[in-house]
Amino acid sequence: AQSVTQLGSHVSVSEGALVLLRCNYSSSVPPYLFWYVQYPNQGLQLLLKYTSAATLVKGINGFEAEFKKSETSFHLTKPSAHMSDAAEYFCAVSENTGNQFYFGTGTSLTVIP
Amino acid sequence: DTGVSQNPRHKITKRGQNVTFRCDPISEHNRLYWYRQTLGQGPEFLTYFQNEAQLEKSRLLSDRFSAERPKGSFSTLEIQRTEQGDSAMYLCASSSTGGPYEQYFGPGTRLTVT
Repeated sequence: AQSVTQLGSHVSVSEGALVLLRCNYSSSVPPYLFWYVQYPNQGLQLLLKYTSAATLVKGINGFEAEFKKSETSFHLTKPSAHMSDAAEYFCAVSENTGNQFYFGTGTSLTVIP
Repeated sequence: DTGVSQNPRHKITKRGQNVTFRCDPISEHNRLYWYRQTLGQGPEFLTYFQNEAQLEKSRLLSDRFSAERPKGSFSTLEIQRTEQGDSAMYLCASSSTGGPYEQYFGPGTRLTVT
């Protein structure tokens, strides 16, 4: 089975600073990879997805992620944090069949004014 | 398209009671998933349907849990004889049949068992 590790359960950044949220997956075969954002008491919203078309993936709200096969990583970045980015972020991996998604434990992002 | 909807949004029940949740997926999506999420954790996979067929079930899904998708459209998740440990957010998601199978989530149903 796949697994996803998100380093850092809590990340704090100042408004305007770089956001870096880390995700590592366990797989010998490049799977499908995703980042989701969750606001309090809401469902998950898709930020971006990796489908092997390009290693640098751009998503909504200025976020992007880079797939690095050699490091089995898919870290999420945003050049300049905004107060509205404060939320819980989840990395997820899917096998090629799409029958199951495996989610990380999440990283809570706090943006300091 | 209005996205994935779930009802009710909140449910408070007493231990031992049965509860049923409903999920309406995005209309053109064949795949439907149920997850459970507890505080501070990521969603845990419970079960998955393709059309009306239930193709995967997690070992987390005890005999008290049952899910159906009778006509391949909406789905229901029933929990019988609820326990306090069942208190969680229950999330539904849907996706199309072709890869990369990105899932679109509903707002969830928050269950509190007292």
